[in-house]
Amino acid sequence: AQSVTQLGSHVSVSEGALVLLRCNYSSSVPPYLFWYVQYPNQGLQLLLKYTTGATLVKGINGFEAEFKKSETSFHLTKPSAHMSDAAEYFCAVRNTGNQFYFGTGTSLTVIP
Amino acid sequence: DAGVIQSPRHEVTEMGQEVTLRCKPISGHDYLFWYRQTMMRGLELLIYFNNNVPIDDSGMPEDRFSAKMPNASFSTLKIQPSEPRDSAVYFCASSLRQGRHEQYFGPGTRLTVT
Repeated sequence: AQSVTQLGSHVSVSEGALVLLRCNYSSSVPPYLFWYVQYPNQGLQLLLKYTTGATLVKGINGFEAEFKKSETSFHLTKPSAHMSDAAEYFCAVRNTGNQFYFGTGTSLTVIP
Repeated sequence: DAGVIQSPRHEVTEMGQEVTLRCKPISGHDYLFWYRQTMMRGLELLIYFNNNVPIDDSGMPEDRFSAKMPNASFSTLKIQPSEPRDSAVYFCASSLRQGRHEQYFGPGTRLTVT
């Protein structure tokens, strides 16, 4: 069975500081990996995804994530936080059986 | 493309009433998912369909909840009778069949049961 673990339900960073949101997955085969962002009172929208190929994936709004098979991780980073990055972030895994598994989410607060 | 469309966006109803939430997936998508989001329980998968057929409804809370997909462009989630604990944001999402494709989420329906 698949599972997704997001360490830290709440993360606070100062504006301009590095953003690091952690995601680990359990999978017997390489999965497809996604990060979604949810702004207040909105639906989830895709930030980036890893399917095959290059393990460092770049997404929208300056975010990127690196797939590390040996660590079963897919952490999300952004070099410099902006106030507009404050939102809920979800890591998700999709297996070859087309089942999606979402993490419990990480709420990012950006301090001015 | 208009994206995933959900209606209504907000619904306020009294306990005991029937509630029907509607979803139109993105044209050509084979999979449709219904989720519920609350502060206490986070994002929960209720049910998903593949080619209009329910594949996994193990997340449906109880018999008061039912979902249908009569055709590729329309799905409903019905709660009868509704209870205050059903208050939540309900999301519909759709995706293409291959595993590498992501889900596209609708804007959600905020349900309040008084």
